[in-house]
Amino acid sequence: GAGVSQSPRYKVAKRGQDVALRCDPISGHVSLFWYQQALGQGPEFLTYFQNEAQLDKSGLPSDRFFAERPEGSVSTLKIQRTQQEDSAVYLCASSLWLREGSPLHFGNGTRLTVT
Amino acid sequence: AQTVTQSQPEMSVQEAETVTLSCTYDTSESNYYLFWYKQPPSRQMILVIRQEAYKQQNATENRFSVNFQKAAKSFSLKISDSQLGDTAMYFCALNFGNEKLTFGTGTRLTIIP
Repeated sequence: GAGVSQSPRYKVAKRGQDVALRCDPISGHVSLFWYQQALGQGPEFLTYFQNEAQLDKSGLPSDRFFAERPEGSVSTLKIQRTQQEDSAVYLCASSLWLREGSPLHFGNGTRLTVT
Repeated sequence: AQTVTQSQPEMSVQEAETVTLSCTYDTSESNYYLFWYKQPPSRQMILVIRQEAYKQQNATENRFSVNFQKAAKSFSLKISDSQLGDTAMYFCALNFGNEKLTFGTGTRLTIIP
């Protein structure tokens, strides 16, 4: 596609529910990142994939957060038993190159609200 | 650990004027990359400009330019001839190694018509 696509754009979940957020990166992009952006803050790194391999998940805040990219393209970020502190915008980004300094292309994000 | 600090939470400037957004950072790496991203209300982060730390020449992209002071660990963004479409959140970011970006807390820029 022309850009990184994320769905849904908005998600409201009751506390305790599970949610799944989808990211469709730019075709052919090797690297894929998930970021969490709390209101009024900068994005915080969650996890990173290179093709289907999850190379860094050091930013995932708890074991309730799980990400996968089974075929090296579409990725899903799953949050189990959502809590109010999970309310944030979740941004996905992809990049073509493997070398450092590659610019990231971001999607429009999913705004998650946990009530 | 690397950190990025943006000390100006909000700024406003008249249309057509020049504005400078500040950013300082800290890293122990010798080779790294610095970025400015723009985030309009649509939430999509858009790359404005990129600087490689080993290059002394300041990067420029049309009306956008940076003042990169490596010794001082400073990376400011200058927007010339500001336009209404420049209204957005601006984030300074740093990365090295495996491309993980570290962002600052952002500066909300408003261009006044």
